[in-house]
Amino acid sequence: AQSVTQLDSQVPVFEEAPVELRCNYSSSVSVYLFWYVQYPNQGLQLLLKYLSGSTLVKGINGFEAEFNKSQTSFHLRKPSVHISDTAEYFCAVSAPTDSWGKLQFGAGTQVVVTP
Amino acid sequence: GAVVSQHPSWVICKSGTSVKIECRSLDFQATTMFWYRQFPKQSLMLMATSNEGSKATYEQGVEKDKFLINHASLTLSTLTVTSAHPEDSSFYICSARDNRGLSEQYFGPGTRLTVT
Repeated sequence: AQSVTQLDSQVPVFEEAPVELRCNYSSSVSVYLFWYVQYPNQGLQLLLKYLSGSTLVKGINGFEAEFNKSQTSFHLRKPSVHISDTAEYFCAVSAPTDSWGKLQFGAGTQVVVTP
Repeated sequence: GAVVSQHPSWVICKSGTSVKIECRSLDFQATTMFWYRQFPKQSLMLMATSNEGSKATYEQGVEKDKFLINHASLTLSTLTVTSAHPEDSSFYICSARDNRGLSEQYFGPGTRLTVT
């Protein structure tokens, strides 16, 4: 079984400042890793995913994440945030061996961007 | 891109009645769909995995007789909350996996259920 820990429940950040959202996972097998964003009262939108290959993954809206197998981490970063980045961010993991591709979500990190 | 719709987007019902929520994949086929429940300021909790043409697989602690799932076609799954009670009030989100073998799930916009 897999589990995901998002280390920060809320991250306040000023506009145009960088932000890093931390995600650690636990698994006895190899994993796929995802970051999703959720705006208020909406579903989830995929920001980026790691399946294999290069450990630095670039996603939409200027986000990127780095897979670190030794530290079992998949931290999300953006060098300069906008007000519109205010949202809830979820890290998720699935096992390639799971034929259904079930996702296990972290608790989420609320990002609040202020001017 | 892959689009998943949900209907209705919000619903208010009286305690004891049943409510049906639809989840549709609009531009792809999905043998597998998922239903999640999300409480305010909390993460998504997987309720069940819905497979076209077969019975849904429910997660531990989810009452299958209360949350009826039907996946009758490759583009439609429905969740019926039977004999709803105020504690069933929540945000319900579905997702769908593209049959073309892509690894990601595409999420619907969610349905806000309020039981009075």
